[in-house]
Amino acid sequence: DVKVTQSSRYLVKRTGEKVFLECVQDMDHENMFWYRQDPGLGLRLIYFSYDVKMKEKGDIPEGYSVSREKKERFSLILESASTNQTSMYLCASSTAVSSYNEQFFGPGTRLTVL
Amino acid sequence: RKEVEQDPGPFNVPEGATVAFNCTYSNSASQSFFWYRQDCRKEPKLLMSVYSSGNEDGRFTAQLNRASQYISLLIRDSKLSDSATYLCVVNPTGGFKTIFGAGTRLFVKA
Repeated sequence: DVKVTQSSRYLVKRTGEKVFLECVQDMDHENMFWYRQDPGLGLRLIYFSYDVKMKEKGDIPEGYSVSREKKERFSLILESASTNQTSMYLCASSTAVSSYNEQFFGPGTRLTVL
Repeated sequence: RKEVEQDPGPFNVPEGATVAFNCTYSNSASQSFFWYRQDCRKEPKLLMSVYSSGNEDGRFTAQLNRASQYISLLIRDSKLSDSATYLCVVNPTGGFKTIFGAGTRLFVKA
């Protein structure tokens, strides 16, 4: 079974703090994604990566950065957390075989910024 | 106009009912299509891919209408365990990026 794990299920941070969200997958997938999910807006893509050290901006990259130093790990960084970044963050991975690849999601990190 | 639009619901149906969801997409060149299911406080999981010829998996049938730019999901003989949010997902370019709809909530009651 594919397993995608995220470092925390719940996180509370203060405005201005630097926040690291970690994601690890164990299936040797090439692609990894970071989404945020908000009520009424669905999942919105923040960043994705199709290879080690490669990254592409998604639809809402402002205020975020990412790092992919190893194939299995994809980190999301909030350089200076703000209250509007309070959200559920979901990491996903997929193979690179075709456009019909299934995305496997981690359990999510619910981040609250006070 | 949103790239992928779904009726948010909620749809409240009795057990055994047939229920259908539609999802419209704006990019006529979109390449691949999916339905994901998300249970309350859980991560999304793939329910089924949607192919041009339509496909069926047990009680679930998915169809694609490229001319009208929508996909549909039909659930027959609804079970209590079908209660979830159903997410429509579209790959607009054939690459790795996908766009998720906001989801349709389904409640199946006894």
